[in-house]
Amino acid sequence: KQEVTQIPAALSVPEGENLVLNCSFTDSAIYNLQWFRQDPGKGLTSLLLIQSSQREQTSGRLNASLDKSSGRSTLYIAASQPGDSATYLCAGYSSGYALNFGKGTSLLVTP
Amino acid sequence: DAGITQSPRHKVTETGTPVTLRCHQTENHRYMYWYRQDPGHGLRLIHYSYGVKDTDKGEVSDGYSVSRSKTEDFLLTLESATSSQTSVYFCAISAGQGYYEQYFGPGTRLTVT
Repeated sequence: KQEVTQIPAALSVPEGENLVLNCSFTDSAIYNLQWFRQDPGKGLTSLLLIQSSQREQTSGRLNASLDKSSGRSTLYIAASQPGDSATYLCAGYSSGYALNFGKGTSLLVTP
Repeated sequence: DAGITQSPRHKVTETGTPVTLRCHQTENHRYMYWYRQDPGHGLRLIHYSYGVKDTDKGEVSDGYSVSRSKTEDFLLTLESATSSQTSVYFCAISAGQGYYEQYFGPGTRLTVT
C-alpha cells in the first residue's frame, strides 16, 4: 500500500512569506498525486493534480512538483496570505481504486 | 463546486440503529467513493463504485454496505451503528481511475452515542 507522509504537521508563517509544504510517498510507481486544501469543518478542495508523466503544475500562486524517483512532492505557495490558512493534504494514486492520503500540514498565516 | 451533495450533513444516532448516508452527483461521473476522516488516521476509503450496481470494498469496509441503483446516487449504510463509526464521512467522484482528479463533497458529520 502506498504510504504518504507530510512534514511538517503544522506550520506558522507571517504574511508575505513564500513557503514549501512537503509530501513523501513510498511507491514510486505512482500514477498521479493530488493536492487538496481543507478548511475547518469543510470538505476537500482540489488544488492541483500532477499526473505521472508531468513534473509540475501551476495554478496562480501555487506550484506543485512531483519527483517520482525520490518519492517526493512539494507544494510551493508564493506570497502567502491569511486566507491561505487551512490544512493542506496530499494524496497519491498507485494502484487499486483509492487515493492514499497523508495526514496533512496545518498552515497558519499571520497578518 | 463539483456538483456533489451529501445528506444529511449532520446526524446523531444511538448505538445499534441503522443509518444511511446519501451522496448525489449531477455530473454523471462513473466513479464514486466513500471515505471517512478521523483524527490521527487521515482519510481512508470505505467503499467505491465503478458503475451502476458495481461496487467493491475499500480499506475499512467492515460494518458498512453500499448501493448504487442510479448513476447519480451512492448510498452508504451502517447496518448497526457503533461508537467507532463516529466520524466525518466524505463522498468523492471522478471521471475515471488512476489519472483522473477526484472531487469531494461537503461531508457528513456522524455521531454515534
